[in-house]
Amino acid sequence: DGGITQSPKYLFRKEGQNVTLSCEQNLNHDAMYWYRQDPGQGLRLIYYSQIVNDFQKGDIAEGYSVSREKKESFPLTVTSAQKNPTAFYLCASSRGATSALSSYEQYFGPGTRLTVT
Amino acid sequence: EDKVVQSPLSLVVHEGDTVTLNCSYEVTNFRSLLWYKQEKKAPTFLFMLTSSGIEKKSGRLSSILDKKELFSILNITATQTGDSAVYLCAVEARRYGGATNKLIFGTGTLLAVQP
Repeated sequence: DGGITQSPKYLFRKEGQNVTLSCEQNLNHDAMYWYRQDPGQGLRLIYYSQIVNDFQKGDIAEGYSVSREKKESFPLTVTSAQKNPTAFYLCASSRGATSALSSYEQYFGPGTRLTVT
Repeated sequence: EDKVVQSPLSLVVHEGDTVTLNCSYEVTNFRSLLWYKQEKKAPTFLFMLTSSGIEKKSGRLSSILDKKELFSILNITATQTGDSAVYLCAVEARRYGGATNKLIFGTGTLLAVQP
């Protein structure tokens, strides 16, 4: 079965702790993305990666970090510098991130709900 | 600033009703418009629209894009309780110079279908 997995589904942390959210895909997709979803707001892009060992900041990258050491994996670390980390985090992937010829839909993982107290 | 606006924010209907969800956008270098259905967790892909006036259809769902007026609609006929979800509209904006194309999401329309 091809797809995107995120773990864990629910995560609780104390304020001041860093936490890493996992995202793995076996779709052989080049591009991967992290979004944050808050109530009443659309998905907002945190970081994205077009290819292994490369990633770019999205609209709300402050307080987050990522790595892309393998094509299949794109973990997100929520650092203690993130002011409001409690949110629902969604990882996505697509065949390609840039193309003059085709657009590629993004496929989403099941999400991780992070609660920081 | 790029923006995508969905309306209504929420909608309650009865089974069997037909609903129309709206998505308007102001995006530089439009590439495509996508509709997703989000039930509890992962948004699932419904449609991608790139050309005006061509309806895309999947069962009871259909969607069309108007690039002149900058909007899209998603229609659901003969609604069922299983259609209850948040419907997300996203617009892909092309970026140049090697930058990734960007998806700008609307806030979604929450649809509740009552038996």
